[in-house]
Amino acid sequence: KAGVTQTPRYLIKTRGQQVTLSCSPISGHRSVSWYQQTPGQGLQFLFEYFSETQRNKGNFPGRFSGRQFSNSRSEMNVSTLELGDSALYLCASSTGTAGNQPQHFGDGTRLSIL
Amino acid sequence: DQQVKQNSPSLSVQEGRISILNCDYTNSMFDYFLWYKKYPAEGPTFLISISSIKDKNEDGRFTVFLNKSAKHLSLHIVPSQPGDSAVYFCAASSASGGSYIPTFGRGTSLIVHP
Repeated sequence: KAGVTQTPRYLIKTRGQQVTLSCSPISGHRSVSWYQQTPGQGLQFLFEYFSETQRNKGNFPGRFSGRQFSNSRSEMNVSTLELGDSALYLCASSTGTAGNQPQHFGDGTRLSIL
Repeated sequence: DQQVKQNSPSLSVQEGRISILNCDYTNSMFDYFLWYKKYPAEGPTFLISISSIKDKNEDGRFTVFLNKSAKHLSLHIVPSQPGDSAVYFCAASSASGGSYIPTFGRGTSLIVHP
């Protein structure tokens, strides 16, 4: 069974640009969550999508947005990039709600802002 | 305000000995707890979970203990193996409280020496 796939693995952007990250969940998983990991900060929850609807949202500015397609694949968009957005972005999938069962993580997209 | 704290950034243990990783939380609504392991350049992998109706859960070499009154949980690895060297994240969520957002600690880096 294929795991969670995130593309691209690495990305370099400059301040002010926008970026779109992609996540393909495990087949049959309807919940997709996104996390930001920065050194010393652990994993910060961005948002969760379930059946194309945003179900939960973390404490991030509106520059961070996402969507989920009918095949459960999800994209995350960050507009007007700032230096502080440099981080590892992780996607995780599960069959049901993110908060009451284990999640399966992808290997992440490393985003660097110059 | 960190609701899930892993106060030891790192832990060094000899192969064959017990590794004990600790996690404290402040939100009394948390009722579901998980441990994830993360190797460099890979996403976190689910290890073991426990719900608040239990105080212990075992899976092979891994045991998680939950002390609700102290708002403390710990992960015991016995015996420790060099392959266990990784960063371990504690996570908590409140399924019953309606907010399913998983909250992660900042991680503890475990090094198991041969």
